[in-house]
Amino acid sequence: GAVVSQHPSRVICKSGTSVKIECRSLDFQATTMFWYRQFPKQSLMLMATSNEGSKATYEQGVEKDKFLINHASLTLSTLTVTSAHPEDSSFYICSAREQEYEQYFGPGTRLTVT
Amino acid sequence: GQNIDQPTEMTATEGAIVQINCTYQTSGFNGLFWYQQHAGEAPTFLSYNVLDGLEEKGRFSSFLSRSKGYSYLLLKELQMKDSASYLCAVRDGDYKLSFGAGTTVTVRA
Repeated sequence: GAVVSQHPSRVICKSGTSVKIECRSLDFQATTMFWYRQFPKQSLMLMATSNEGSKATYEQGVEKDKFLINHASLTLSTLTVTSAHPEDSSFYICSAREQEYEQYFGPGTRLTVT
Repeated sequence: GQNIDQPTEMTATEGAIVQINCTYQTSGFNGLFWYQQHAGEAPTFLSYNVLDGLEEKGRFSSFLSRSKGYSYLLLKELQMKDSASYLCAVRDGDYKLSFGAGTTVTVRA
């Protein structure tokens, strides 16, 4: 099956700094990539949808200036959490879609802001 | 928007059968997915239904009734490794997934 990777798998950063998370589709070209956030014991919440070469579409309540998304190629999307705060600590998961097929999820990135 | 409901927790015995129900109210429907998620890991795909009826895949089966806004995931011959959270997700016309809160299944010996 299709493989999506994320890097890093875990990151700890200090409050006020920025963190970049990469999402790559390894064996297919992803027309669309999605970014989710999951707090402990809660379900996945969609943050934004990104298409290669265009601006990301953010869900209501998600600050686009805080969560910067870049989808530079058909195999790479990045999420940058700017000026991170402890409340941004969460499990961030990306997924990638190839044409009309299902979404394939990455392994997730555990972000801890101290 | 999407409103997706599923039970919070279920417990069953090893070897038994468990059925996880999911009801949904959506502004657009383009398929229903079930995912399994172990703690601290990303969801893994289990099943996909877009037409009414039952889809069987080994020990797992999923059913959909679009007119009733209802689906269930059936887990047969439960094993200890099936202890996990099971997520019901509805896809809209823009291929966005909306997830239910998840059902934590605990399998006991």
